[in-house]
Amino acid sequence: ETGVTQSPTHLIKTRGQQVTLRCSSQSGHNTVSWYQQALGQGPQFIFQYYREEENGRGNFPPRFSGLQFPNYSSELNVNALELDDSALYLCASSPFNRAWANYGYTFGSGTRLTVV
Amino acid sequence: AQTVTQSQPEMSVQEAETVTLSCTYDTSENNYYLFWYKQPPSRQMILVIRQEAYKQQNATENRFSVNFQKAAKSFSLKISDSQLGDTAMYFCAFMFSGNTPLVFGKGTRLSVIA
Repeated sequence: ETGVTQSPTHLIKTRGQQVTLRCSSQSGHNTVSWYQQALGQGPQFIFQYYREEENGRGNFPPRFSGLQFPNYSSELNVNALELDDSALYLCASSPFNRAWANYGYTFGSGTRLTVV
Repeated sequence: AQTVTQSQPEMSVQEAETVTLSCTYDTSENNYYLFWYKQPPSRQMILVIRQEAYKQQNATENRFSVNFQKAAKSFSLKISDSQLGDTAMYFCAFMFSGNTPLVFGKGTRLSVIA
């Protein structure tokens, strides 16, 4: 059973640019959530995808957008990057059914984004 | 809105000793889940232990146990026989039903000293 994999592991972008981060969910998991973890903080929920549609969103502006594909993998896109977008971006997958109570969320190791 | 507070930014413990990490939360919900996650330098968030609010019995997982006080909205983590591999950031998290977002505290950095 493969876990959650994220790519790339590190990324440096310039303010104003656009970035795409990728996540492959754990086998058998059909729901993907994205979190932003600023330095010294706990993760903050960005949004969740289920059946290729956004299924909940945190307090993030529209320039944060996402996609989910038929194989349940997902992308996080951020437009017009700002310095404050520098953070660790974590992807988490889960099964969208009662089995969730047994398995919970499985997290990837994240993408460290630095905006200069 | 739910909030989670971890009042201990850093803690240290001697190897083989016991340490307790504190967490309080605020919610008006009656049914919810609480979690402790470990984040080592590898950055992956690893589930340590979970507690369902409707269960009065405190959860245990090997050397890890919780003290869940629902009325006080307190959820502390006890690590017994601390090992060097326990060195990590520990996050307390709240979720009010399955597949809703996790709400995390700011974390406690735990150092286990040989």
